[in-house]
Amino acid sequence: DAKTTQPTSMDCAEGRAANLPCNHSTISGNEYVYWYRQIHSQGPQYIIHGLKNNETNEMASLIITEDRKSSTLILPHATLRDTAVYYCIVMGQTGANNLFFGTGTRLTVIP
Amino acid sequence: DTGVSQNPRHKITKRGQNVTFRCDPISEHNRLYWYRQTLGQGPEFLTYFQNEAQLEKSRLLSDRFSAERPKGSFSTLEIQRTEQGDSAMYLCASSLEYAGGTSFGPGTRLTVL
Repeated sequence: DAKTTQPTSMDCAEGRAANLPCNHSTISGNEYVYWYRQIHSQGPQYIIHGLKNNETNEMASLIITEDRKSSTLILPHATLRDTAVYYCIVMGQTGANNLFFGTGTRLTVIP
Repeated sequence: DTGVSQNPRHKITKRGQNVTFRCDPISEHNRLYWYRQTLGQGPEFLTYFQNEAQLEKSRLLSDRFSAERPKGSFSTLEIQRTEQGDSAMYLCASSLEYAGGTSFGPGTRLTVL
């Protein structure tokens, strides 16, 4: 599975949009981009995933560039409860879908 | 929403003792995973089951570690002769094959003294 690069940390003001970038320049055609987050002392939580098209659900939006080499997770109105480590993971849909987490981006939402 | 449950949530043991953790996945999920997470790091894959078959094991899973999933339902992870380096959060997760996201449990925090 392709590796990803994320900033170590980011801050965001409460109520503003949080935009978390991820580079995955070696992604192959059948690999999906997944986002998870982990709030302190809890297990990781699935947020969203996509292949080519932009995706939106009740938690977030995922914007994938046309060349698929990078993506951005958008939390439209960040709250204090969104403070967490966010992991961008690239994974093929076939075969074992064990996840390679890396170190992620620590997002701090500031009041 | 029952989610993935893990027991115990915390375990403190002395070096050299054996410990066993239990995971109950979401009932309709046929895949079950074990991960380990140390402080400041992301979770690391240990092993996974599809139904009752253990299909993949990480090189992190030394011969002191054994996992089972009898009847394809709950799973146990046993660590024999624990070492201080085994201190970590042990996370269980489950999913449907070829489905979207993986659901994680709250984890079992192991402290080896």
